[in-house]
Amino acid sequence: EADIYQTPRYLVIGTGKKITLECSQTMGHDKMYWYQQDPGMELHLIHYSYGVNSTEKGDLSSESTVSRIRTEHFPLTLESARPSHTSQYLCASSDARILNEKLFFGSGTQLSVL
Amino acid sequence: DQQVKQNSPSLSVQEGRISILNCDYTNSMFDYFLWYKKYPAEGPTFLISISSIKDKNEDGRFTVFLNKSAKHLSLHIVPSQPGDSAVYFCAANLQGGSEKLVFGKGTKLTVNP
Repeated sequence: EADIYQTPRYLVIGTGKKITLECSQTMGHDKMYWYQQDPGMELHLIHYSYGVNSTEKGDLSSESTVSRIRTEHFPLTLESARPSHTSQYLCASSDARILNEKLFFGSGTQLSVL
Repeated sequence: DQQVKQNSPSLSVQEGRISILNCDYTNSMFDYFLWYKKYPAEGPTFLISISSIKDKNEDGRFTVFLNKSAKHLSLHIVPSQPGDSAVYFCAANLQGGSEKLVFGKGTKLTVNP
């Protein structure tokens, strides 16, 4: 079973606030990902990491930033939240040693920026 | 330009009947395909996958069929159960890691008791 945790589950915040979405996994996976998903739309990759001190931008441009100081932790930060950032943010991890590795997702953070 | 298309936003079936969810793709270089299931306010969970060297893969009530010439895959659920009600995402991958995974928009399946 997947052990990947996201907090908070829901966040309602005002415009201009700085926020950090937390993601942790206990599976020892090297690769971690952040996806953004709106209702009825595809999952879009916004950031990923191959391991400690590795961060890469995904296909969808995002004003958020990420860091990977520890294998198990991959937080996402928005310096100044805007209503356009309202979305569901999904964190995932995978075992890079496996060919065609599958993603394990957290439960997501539903962000609403007022 | 969408490379993975799920043209049916929703599907409704009766409990016990077959559910067929369809997915089309445009990139002939895709070589691995996956289906994920997502409940509201939860993250997606992996359901079943298929390599491009196969045309069918079965796991219990779930079977995925791949037609490479038509660039089409389908997920069959038999028999359908109310607990199968969820959004199903088709995803396709090029050779390499999951950072290259491309998702469709999903199909919302409702299984009525």
